[in-house]
Amino acid sequence: SQKIEQNSEALNIQEGKTATLTCNYTNYSPAYLQWYRQDPGRGPVFLLLIRENEKEKRKERLKVTFDTTLKQSLFHITASQPADSATYLCALDTDSNYQLIWGAGTKLIIKP
Amino acid sequence: GAVVSQHPSWVICKSGTSVKIECRSLDFQATTMFWYRQFPKQSLMLMATSNEGSKATYEQGVEKDKFLINHASLTLSTLTVTSAHPEDSSFYICSASPGQATYEQYFGPGTRLTVT
Repeated sequence: SQKIEQNSEALNIQEGKTATLTCNYTNYSPAYLQWYRQDPGRGPVFLLLIRENEKEKRKERLKVTFDTTLKQSLFHITASQPADSATYLCALDTDSNYQLIWGAGTKLIIKP
Repeated sequence: GAVVSQHPSWVICKSGTSVKIECRSLDFQATTMFWYRQFPKQSLMLMATSNEGSKATYEQGVEKDKFLINHASLTLSTLTVTSAHPEDSSFYICSASPGQATYEQYFGPGTRLTVT
């Protein structure tokens, strides 16, 4: 079955630097991959979706890459700010009914 | 756009009682709604998928008689935790998908359930 691996250790980044988070999957290549942000005690918020035929997607300071050979997606936040501190979740599609498989998330801490 | 509300945001109930949680898509019609459970520092655990007007599909290990889901309309789904026990205490989150080849999910703010 499909498994998703995200770095379980918190990532500490200095404000202004680029934060890079990793999402690896182990089995079939998904048709699309999504990134969400989750703040403590809140539901996740959709950020970006990238399809299998797309190498890169950007939205403001966010950039996502998708390498189906490496079975990996990278999520970048440029010019990071303390307000970017949150847990970032990676999710992959399944065959069923718009369901997603979720990674456990990586906690990002941006230090002023 | 794509706002999902969830009510209540937190609830404390006594063991043996039932609790209903509502999930509403406020500005779109949700073909499919999902109910998740999340433990601290863990991933989202899908409990069930519901489509308007049909029975929910429960994930393996989720008791459908304990977690009753009703998707009465394209904008409302409810989760009722029946005969709640302390081990049911958790953070419950719903999400909604507009469908129509739109694959992202829009989440409610979550409900913190504490069973004493």
